Amino acid sequence: KNEVEQSPQNLTAQEGEFITINCSYSVGISALHWLQQHPGGGIVSLFMLSSGKKKHGRLIATINIQEKHSSLHITASHPRDSAVYICAVKDYGGSQGNLIFGKGTKLSVKP
Amino acid sequence: EAQVTQNPRYLITVTGKKLTVTCSQNMNHEYMSWYRQDPGLGLRQIYYSMNVEVTDKGDVPEGYKVSRKEKRNFPLILESPSPNQTSLYFCASSYDRDTGELFFGEGSRLTVL
Repeated sequence: KNEVEQSPQNLTAQEGEFITINCSYSVGISALHWLQQHPGGGIVSLFMLSSGKKKHGRLIATINIQEKHSSLHITASHPRDSAVYICAVKDYGGSQGNLIFGKGTKLSVKP
Repeated sequence: EAQVTQNPRYLITVTGKKLTVTCSQNMNHEYMSWYRQDPGLGLRQIYYSMNVEVTDKGDVPEGYKVSRKEKRNFPLILESPSPNQTSLYFCASSYDRDTGELFFGEGSRLTVL
């Protein structure tokens, strides 16, 4: 079941470029998470969204509930942004507490 | 410092030898959860807990057990590990199941020979 799809799977950018990572989902949700995983494995929560838009530094996350789509934008990308970005949704109609994950987008930012 | 602590971080074991991976959080979070991460499959939820003494299965619970006797601890138990349980495991917690930010442990890399 591919209830959460991310695109692209892999992304290479030059330092300074504007980056967009997309997440589409097929279920009704109560919340969507964007996560960052650096080489070496640790996972950090970037955003949790249930509507609208959030901004933190150079990162912006948006969600369109009607279209079942979210985007993560990185402005003025930097090599330290190189990581895997993972989208996860809390299925509103599914088992309480169950999270469904996308397979991740691997971002590499070249200096 | 707010954190989720997992132990051990690395473990090599043999088939059938029971093991426990501990998870502890210091944020008084109600919701805790275990995930495994495998190449090509991404993160998958094993078990979760909404509060003390309340646990439920995720997508891949077979071969695992959990308990939530105290709010801060949520151990993952492999009663009889098998090689297909070789994986990278993450514990996470949040204030509540619906809207809380997720805090992850550093991960536990388990190899079952």
